[in-house]
Order: sequence, then C-alpha cells, then structure tokens
Amino acid sequence: NAGVMQNPRHLVRRRGQEARLRCSPVKGHSHVYWYRQLPEEGLKFMVYLQKENIIDESGMPKERFSAEFPKEGPSILRIQQVVRGDSAAYFCASSPSTVSGNTIYFGEGSWLTVV
Amino acid sequence: SQQGEEDPQALSIQEGENATMNCSYKTSINNLQWYRQNSGRGLVHLILIRSNEREKHSGRLRVTLDTSKKSSSLLITASRAADTASYFCATDPYQGAQKLVFGQGTRLTINP
Repeated sequence: NAGVMQNPRHLVRRRGQEARLRCSPVKGHSHVYWYRQLPEEGLKFMVYLQKENIIDESGMPKERFSAEFPKEGPSILRIQQVVRGDSAAYFCASSPSTVSGNTIYFGEGSWLTVV
Repeated sequence: SQQGEEDPQALSIQEGENATMNCSYKTSINNLQWYRQNSGRGLVHLILIRSNEREKHSGRLRVTLDTSKKSSSLLITASRAADTASYFCATDPYQGAQKLVFGQGTRLTINP
C-alpha cells in the first residue's frame, strides 16, 4: 500500500458522539482522497483535498461530515453526531498528482461502528 | 448512478481453475483499474488499463477492455487459495482527477 497510514483502524462510537479519522498520505503526496465503503458495497468517493484546500467534496454528506488537510499533520475526516448509518469503512488514498492514470494508494481503512 | 457493475457478484471455484470477472460501465473513461480487497483490509491495486489499450497482462492476471461495449474482464489463471478476496473495477470518468468510481465487486472464493 506504499505507506498511506490511517488511524484508528477500528473505532466504536455511540450515537451522537463524534468520530475523527486520521490519514497520513504517502510521503511526498500532496493529494488526499476519502472514500466510504458500506457493508457489501464498493467504495464511494467522498472528498478530495490538497494541502489546506478542499478541491471536490461532491460526495460528502452536506451535514455532520467535514474534512481537512492542514499544512502540517494528517488529513482528518470528522463525523459529528454519528448515527448507525455512518457505520462503514472509511478509506483514505493519496497520489502525487491528479494526472489521469496515476495509481492512487489506499490505506488499510478505518472501520467505524456506531452502536 | 452506479458506473461500474461487476458480474458475477460472487464466484466460487476450485484451486487451479481460472476465474473470470466482468465489469461494465456507463460513461466514457480515461482508464479502468482493478483492485483486490481481502476481508477487513484495504485495497490493493492490481492493474490499470488505459482507454486506448485492449489487453494487458501482469503475472497470472489478464485484463481486457472493450470500450465499444463499455466492459472489461479480469482473468486470474491457475487460481490459488490466496486469491480469495473481493475484486473491484474502478473507472475515472472525470478529466484530470482521481475521483474513481467503483463497482460493487465480485467476491471470489477459491476452494482448496
């Protein structure tokens, strides 16, 4: 997986709590993507970020979800007031550029369970 | 709407046999990629085929792409138990971005 690090790997939250998922891209990659995988489904694009900028958040739910990729530190996907339907695997990916055809590298995922 | 659709949804074969999985998509694409996902794990990139390519090989993997039919196939030859996983195709229909669109996957089981 060429070094995309996600944590925590597993997270359990009660309904109404907040979930924070962290992603450190491959060293030198300035493009980060978050995808969500619901049980028994494929991955769905959520958001694309570059350092300090959200480039495309067309796949993000309008409420309760936010993402950032600060100048220093990992990218964060934040889910406020979680509900059971947020239970899913959240994958981060990174790439060195957005040139079509470049492989993007996925992390091992953060598996959120809302109880 | 779902861009990539894999077929079959589940496939179970004996070790040593060949496994073929298909993917169809709706819009024009730049590339099509295949990924493998072991249960509870992240995605592993297998192979990328560009829209101007028809066939590509990598080890025991063979991928074909038919842009006129908007379909691709992944063939795994001489399957092994370790090939048991879910396989996803992903397309990038958006110019200049890595906003991949995934299918729902084929769950492949290799029986020893």
